[in-house]
Amino acid sequence: EDQVTQSPEALRLQEGESSSLNCSYTVSGLRGLFWYRQDPGKGPEFLFTLYSAGEEKEKERLKATLTKKESFLHITAPKPEDSATYLCAVQVSGAGSYQLTFGKGTKLSVIP
Amino acid sequence: DGGITQSPKYLFRKEGQNVTLSCEQNLNHDAMYWYRQDPGQGLRLIYYSQIVNDFQKGDIAEGYSVSREKKESFPLTVTSAQKNPTAFYLCASSFTGVMTEAFFGQGTRLTVV
Repeated sequence: EDQVTQSPEALRLQEGESSSLNCSYTVSGLRGLFWYRQDPGKGPEFLFTLYSAGEEKEKERLKATLTKKESFLHITAPKPEDSATYLCAVQVSGAGSYQLTFGKGTKLSVIP
Repeated sequence: DGGITQSPKYLFRKEGQNVTLSCEQNLNHDAMYWYRQDPGQGLRLIYYSQIVNDFQKGDIAEGYSVSREKKESFPLTVTSAQKNPTAFYLCASSFTGVMTEAFFGQGTRLTVV
C-alpha cells in the first residue's frame, strides 16, 4: 500500500528561524511528488512538482528537494505570512490513474 | 479568470437527507476529483473522473455518488447512507498525464444538524 508520512505534525518557528519539513514515501512507482500550501478553511494551493531524485525547485523563501525516499521543504528566514499547513502528495504509477495520495500535513506557525 | 468553483461554501444537512455539492471548472481539464478532509487526517479520495460519462471510486466512496455529464462539472451527492458526513469537501481538477498538478477549489464545509 502506498504511504506518505509527513513530519513533524506541527512546527513553531520564530520569524527568521530557518527549518525543514519532511515528507517520506513508500510507493510502488513514483511518477511525481507535489507540495501544496493550505490556509485554514481554504483549498490547497499548488507550490511545486518534483519528479526525479536530486531535483530542486525554489519559490521565494521555499525550496523543495527530492531523494529516492523522501522530500524536504526548506523554509529560509520565514515570515508570519508563511504560517499554513503544508501538504505533500505523490502520484504513483498505475494503469491510467493520475490521482494524488496525500500525507496528513505539517502545520507551520511563524511567530513574529 | 480560470479556476474551480465550489458551492455552497457552507452546507447544513439534516440526518436522512441527501445533499449535492457543486463543482465547476473552466480550466479545460479532463480529470476531476473529490476529496474529503477531516481534522488531523490527510485528504482522502472519494471519486475521480478522467473523462466525461466515466468515473471511478476512490478510497472512501461508500455513501457518496457522482456524475460527469459535462467536462466542466462534477457534482458530488452525499447520501443518507454516509454515516459520518460532517467534513470539509474539496474538488480538484487536472490535465491527465504524468506530472500534472491538480488545482483545488475553496471547499465546502458540510455539517449534519
